[in-house]
This record gives sequence, C-alpha cells and structure tokens, in this order.
Amino acid sequence: GQNIDQPTEMTATEGAIVQINCTYQTSGFNGLFWYQQHAGEAPTFLSYNVLDGLEEKGRFSSFLSRSKGYSYLLLKELQMKDSASYLCAVLDSNYQLIWGAGTKLIIKP
Amino acid sequence: GAVVSQHPSWVICKSGTSVKIECRSLDFQATTMFWYRQFPKQSLMLMATSNEGSKATYEQGVEKDKFLINHASLTLSTLTVTSAHPEDSSFYICSARGEPGRTEPYEQYFGPGTRLTVT
Repeated sequence: GQNIDQPTEMTATEGAIVQINCTYQTSGFNGLFWYQQHAGEAPTFLSYNVLDGLEEKGRFSSFLSRSKGYSYLLLKELQMKDSASYLCAVLDSNYQLIWGAGTKLIIKP
Repeated sequence: GAVVSQHPSWVICKSGTSVKIECRSLDFQATTMFWYRQFPKQSLMLMATSNEGSKATYEQGVEKDKFLINHASLTLSTLTVTSAHPEDSSFYICSARGEPGRTEPYEQYFGPGTRLTVT
C-alpha cells in the first residue's frame, strides 16, 4: 500500500527553527510537495523536490532523500503567522498526489 | 497567475436537497481538476479526478451517483451533492492541475474551498 507519515503536531517558539519530517512508501515517485494550510483555508504551495538535496526558498527549505524515502521541511526565524498545518504529498507513478495527514505546527511567543 | 476560484464559499442546506459547487480556473486552462473533501482535523481526501470532456474518475468508496461531477469546459468543473445528509457536511476543495511550462510539473492550484453544512 501507499503510506505517508508525518508527526501529528509540533510546537516551537517564535524566532526559532523547526524541522518537520515526512517519510513515504509509494508505488513510484515523481516528486514530493509541501503545502501550508491555515485553518479553514485551502492549501498553498510551498515547495517541490524531485532530486536529492536541499532546496532553499527564503525562510523555508525542503530536503529530499529518495533512497531513504524521506523529506523534511525546515522553517527558520519562525513567525506567529507560520502557525498552520503542513502537508507532505508525493506524486506517485500514476501522477496522483498521495497526501500525508498533515503536521499541525503551533508557534508560541 | 494560476488562480482558482470556488463558489459558494459556504452553504447551508436542508437534508434531502442538492447543492452545486463551482470551481473555475481564472487565468489558465485546466484539463484536469480534482475534488477533495476534508473533515475537521483530517487531511485531504481525494474524491474524484475530473477531465474536461470525459467522465470523472471516482476514488474507491465515493458514490458517483451522489457526487455528480461535470467538467464541460477547460475552465469550469462542478460538483453536485445530491440528496445531501448531515454526514455530507464537510469542507470541499477543488484544485486544478497547472499548465506545463508555467508551473512545477503536476502542481495543483487550490480553490479557497466550500464549507457545506447540511441540517
């Protein structure tokens, strides 16, 4: 079967750094997405990785290791507005997005 | 660019009635659109994949006669919840696949969602 695991909830302090991990087992792999979703809103695109390594985009970075079936999203200089759910999604061999359950990130002052 | 709108943003209906939700790609053509449902504190659940000009492909466990999907043009897909019941109350989100060359491969652009409450 296809499976994507990420922690249910994480807490971090404003100004700090947090890493959200995602492990996956899917039938084929055509890339991994990270989305941010605020409560009551639709997801918004953060990053896309298809090759191994780190992609940096401002305060957010995303890492992928295809051999380990592992990715992480790194958020630096945390702000209160970063409080949201972060969704990991893998594009499988049929180009269907397989979604993780999401990680709720709580930022404390 | 790549904006998707959804209408209505929220709707309350009585049990047994039908509700239609529209999803539009505003500045690009979307040959493929997706319909998701999300219950509180849960992740997105794909209901169906909608391809312009053909029948939608429904995920296992989703009743195609209850959730009617029409994708008659390259910019509009509709989801009709027929004979709605309280258990159909949920957050319904559509997305459209981006255009090759303009976006990341197979990136999906999401509409703002429709909150359906069936009383």
